Amino acid sequence: EPEVTQTPSHQVTQMGQEVILRCVPISNHLYFYWYRQILGQKVEFLVSFYNNEISEKSEIFDDQFSVERPDGSNFTLKIRSTKLEDSAMYFCASSVDPGTQYFGPGTRLLVL
Amino acid sequence: EDQVTQSPEALRLQEGESSSLNCSYTVSGLRGLFWYRQDPGKGPEFLFTLYSAGEEKEKERLKATLTKKESFLHITAPKPEDSATYLCAVSVYGGSQGNLIFGKGTKLSVKP
Repeated sequence: EPEVTQTPSHQVTQMGQEVILRCVPISNHLYFYWYRQILGQKVEFLVSFYNNEISEKSEIFDDQFSVERPDGSNFTLKIRSTKLEDSAMYFCASSVDPGTQYFGPGTRLLVL
Repeated sequence: EDQVTQSPEALRLQEGESSSLNCSYTVSGLRGLFWYRQDPGKGPEFLFTLYSAGEEKEKERLKATLTKKESFLHITAPKPEDSATYLCAVSVYGGSQGNLIFGKGTKLSVKP
């Protein structure tokens, strides 16, 4: 059964460093998303991406964040200068249409 | 503001003791309501999508129902392996490409 994959599973970084989180969505999906979940809190939407451009972004997704689909399979989230409060689980999701989304296993980011 | 509220926050059941989880929503226009299961440290695992009031979906011991204001996830004769956090999410009409608004979840523990 096709699934969304994410790498790395864990990432530890120093405050101010850049990180890139990678995702491989399900192959025939057209809509891609990033969400985050701070420990003990609800899952929060960051950004949606369709037809090679950002469709919508939340207030959390400020100028420090960017997304890219560098080739036909990968979808990346870059945080330019990490802050302590960026520590969270980051989930990638994909869908065929603006309907059911399938989530990856997540990347746990810890900013020291 | 679009909002999703889940209750109870936590639920402890004995194996075989059936119960229901509630998800109430206040949204401008419901596109779809989604139930996910989340195990500790993992990504949300898709369970059900409901689109219109009166709709019901079933899978093994789980049954999801939808009204105009809320959804229920009924668990019949649960087993210890059903222990997880159950997340409810909605997508709404109005410019978005289906980004999900999540509730805080109900943490279910099933004791043998």
